[in-house]
Amino acid sequence: ETGVTQSPTHLIKTRGQQVTLRCSSQSGHNTVSWYQQALGQGPQFIFQYYREEENGRGNFPPRFSGLQFPNYSSELNVNALELDDSALYLCASSLLGYTDTQYFGPGTRLTVL
Amino acid sequence: KNEVEQSPQNLTAQEGEFITINCSYSVGISALHWLQQHPGGGIVSLFMLSSGKKKHGRLIATINIQEKHSSLHITASHPRDSAVYICAVSSSNTGKLIFGQGTTLQVKP
Repeated sequence: ETGVTQSPTHLIKTRGQQVTLRCSSQSGHNTVSWYQQALGQGPQFIFQYYREEENGRGNFPPRFSGLQFPNYSSELNVNALELDDSALYLCASSLLGYTDTQYFGPGTRLTVL
Repeated sequence: KNEVEQSPQNLTAQEGEFITINCSYSVGISALHWLQQHPGGGIVSLFMLSSGKKKHGRLIATINIQEKHSSLHITASHPRDSAVYICAVSSSNTGKLIFGQGTTLQVKP
């Protein structure tokens, strides 16, 4: 059974640029959630995808968008990067959404200069 | 006030000590998760519970739905238990996960 993987592991961008982060779900999981974790803080929910449809969104602006593909892998896109977007971005997959055990990937650390 | 509060924020213990981390929440929930995060970022799910108590090895998690409170206990703590422990709740209203700030645990040999 393959675990959740994310790419890249680290990324440095400058303000105003766009970034795409990728996540491959654990085998058999059809739900992917994305979280932003600033240094020293707990994760904040960005959004969740279930069977290729957005299924809930946190308090993040529209420049944070996502996609889920037929194989249940997922992308997080952030446009017009701001310094405050510097954080660890985590994805987690599950079978049944929020009330199921979440399997987290290792995260992508994004630095915006 | 945060919807999920953990205490303490930081905890230092000697190897072998019994450790308790507390989590209080103010929203209706369908489940509560305890997560472990090691330096470097990776998060592992330890428990998911909606009532009572669960045990896995040296870890025990309890929840009191009426009091909106959960505890994570570590018996016979070991330096490898050093990590950030995060409490998260699945809101019964919105469905989304709400995270606490985390408790940083250091166990000294």
